[in-house]
Amino acid sequence: DTAVSQTPKYLVTQMGNDKSIKCEQNLGHDTMYWYKQDSKKFLKIMFSYNNKELIINETVPNRFSPKSPDKAHLNLHINSLELGDSAVYFCASSQTGEVADEQFFGPGTRLTVL
Amino acid sequence: KNEVEQSPQNLTAQEGEFITINCSYSVGISALHWLQQHPGGGIVSLFMLSSGKKKHGRLIATINIQEKHSSLHITASHPRDSAVYICAVPNAGGTSYGKLTFGQGTILTVHP
Repeated sequence: DTAVSQTPKYLVTQMGNDKSIKCEQNLGHDTMYWYKQDSKKFLKIMFSYNNKELIINETVPNRFSPKSPDKAHLNLHINSLELGDSAVYFCASSQTGEVADEQFFGPGTRLTVL
Repeated sequence: KNEVEQSPQNLTAQEGEFITINCSYSVGISALHWLQQHPGGGIVSLFMLSSGKKKHGRLIATINIQEKHSSLHITASHPRDSAVYICAVPNAGGTSYGKLTFGQGTILTVHP
């Protein structure tokens, strides 16, 4: 069974479009995260939710909107896609969200904006 | 904000060699994570350290809290160890929630 799953794995789209990435975890964890990995493989936190409540909201354009319908799901919607949004987006989860918790990562979604 | 520096950025080794990857950070922390990113892109957590040393198979991670430094060692390296190794520490300030700052990663290639 996949612990943290993301769909789609690849997403190719035109500038200006709106797209969503979905994430689900079956680990029973309370906290979920979205990370962005740029072309230099540098990982940065975007958002974190704990029990459906937004906990971390980094300096991310308003075009990015996370939604957590329940604690097992955290989706990322991106409006008006730009070339600079091209990256790999990773979802992750951890038991409580404390800094010492192990984080479990999804397989990533490679977004390419043309 | 906690600044994280990893060295080296790239590392090439022959199978069987002992590997060391270093991580330094600027602000005192309660925990440090080592992650492995496979060539296929997947990321797995290797260790979480708050003090001392941890060992898992051929991997050993150490941390010196006073010197703000951690090392990841791989004994008897194998081509399947080829991956990007990433160090992550809690960001200074803010909540205690798992807001991590990541190093730039060390690309390890082990040749047969």
